[in-house]
Amino acid sequence: NAGVMQNPRHLVRRRGQEARLRCSPMKGHSHVYWYRQLPEEGLKFMVYLQKENIIDESGMPKERFSAEFPKEGPSILRIQQVVRGDSAAYFCASSRGTGAPENYGYTFGSGTRLTVV
Amino acid sequence: SQKIEQNSEALNIQEGKTATLTCNYTNYSPAYLQWYRQDPGRGPVFLLLIRENEKEKRKERLKVTFDTTLKQSLFHITASQPADSATYLCAPRSEGGGNKLTFGTGTQLKVEL
Repeated sequence: NAGVMQNPRHLVRRRGQEARLRCSPMKGHSHVYWYRQLPEEGLKFMVYLQKENIIDESGMPKERFSAEFPKEGPSILRIQQVVRGDSAAYFCASSRGTGAPENYGYTFGSGTRLTVV
Repeated sequence: SQKIEQNSEALNIQEGKTATLTCNYTNYSPAYLQWYRQDPGRGPVFLLLIRENEKEKRKERLKVTFDTTLKQSLFHITASQPADSATYLCAPRSEGGGNKLTFGTGTQLKVEL
């Protein structure tokens, strides 16, 4: 079981370009969460998805950011027209479906470090 | 709105001592609370979960308490080792239910020889 896979590990984009971050959840997990972490700061919730549905996007900036979790394939966090302030580590986590997911906690990926130059 | 506070100052302790980290939350009552460990450049790793009806939970050298009256959780590492050095995050279940977690900013622990 490979765990949560995020790619790329490091991504450099120029201002105005698009960034696409990918996350493949653990096998058997149907819930995906995206968090952003700035240096010396905590994890900030962005969006919570299940297959083909956005459950909670209350932490997502209204513009330029979008997320999806299609029926087939990884979850994608997309940032359009990136700015320097988007530079951060973006972590994806997954958990089991409803039942007792809290018993297992989240499984996090190793993150994607986005640098906007 | 919900607020989670962890001591932002690093905690330095000597090997073999017990480390105690604090997590305080306000303005809501989470059904459960989780603790995670995060090493530099890595994603957090789940350690323990404690439910609101549990006073204490143990796992090997780890112990977590949950006081819903004080709105506080304490995280203890006994017989600490240098390998325990990391940042520890508390994560109460978010207000509104569901599976979403809100993370504290974390406390950095350094265990010295």
